[in-house]
Amino acid sequence: QQQVKQSPQSLIVQKGGISIINCAYENTAFDYFPWYQQFPGKGPALLIAIRPDVSEKKEGRFTISFNKSAKQFSLHIMDSQPGDSATYFCAASRGRDDKIIFGKGTRLHILP
Amino acid sequence: EAEVAQSPRYKITEKSQAVAFWCDPISGHATLYWYRQILGQGPELLVQFQDESVVDDSQLPKDRFSAERLKGVDSTLKIQPAELGDSAMYLCASSLLDMDTQYFGPGTRLTVL
Repeated sequence: QQQVKQSPQSLIVQKGGISIINCAYENTAFDYFPWYQQFPGKGPALLIAIRPDVSEKKEGRFTISFNKSAKQFSLHIMDSQPGDSATYFCAASRGRDDKIIFGKGTRLHILP
Repeated sequence: EAEVAQSPRYKITEKSQAVAFWCDPISGHATLYWYRQILGQGPELLVQFQDESVVDDSQLPKDRFSAERLKGVDSTLKIQPAELGDSAMYLCASSLLDMDTQYFGPGTRLTVL
């Protein structure tokens, strides 16, 4: 059973456009939802994270929108740049000291 | 900025051989995780340590995989014997006790021939 479902699998966006990646989860015990960015040959790096007590969190060009009732959350990248081209993983955990359950990833390509 | 260190970065081995990976977490991080990432997939947890104790090894194939963190600092993950299906990226992550954020190392890319 896939606990965190991510879509789309791949995404192509023009430079300056908005990139949107969606995720859905099953386990209502999850209370921490991070997004990781991974470049080829590198480990995942934490990009931004949210808890279910807020509906939105913004850090620079990156925004997480969270819908607790629908058990869905999404990442929006505003003014997408070629340097944003990477694989993005949504994830979930029950919080402190718990393992992270990753989605299958979205390969994002920003056209120059 | 402190980072999680892993070595080797790349390992090529033949089927049935033994391999070992090393991880040095960020100083002071009590919790250490080993994940396996198959190409095109998200990482999946193999084993979690808190200090020197195993917290979760439910997804670790114990017939061939072993992990230790003897002094509660660095850790070693071993595979013996390696199989073709073990080809993947092996990632180590660490976090402060009672904190959510996990910091990942660069990983070890294993290829089994």
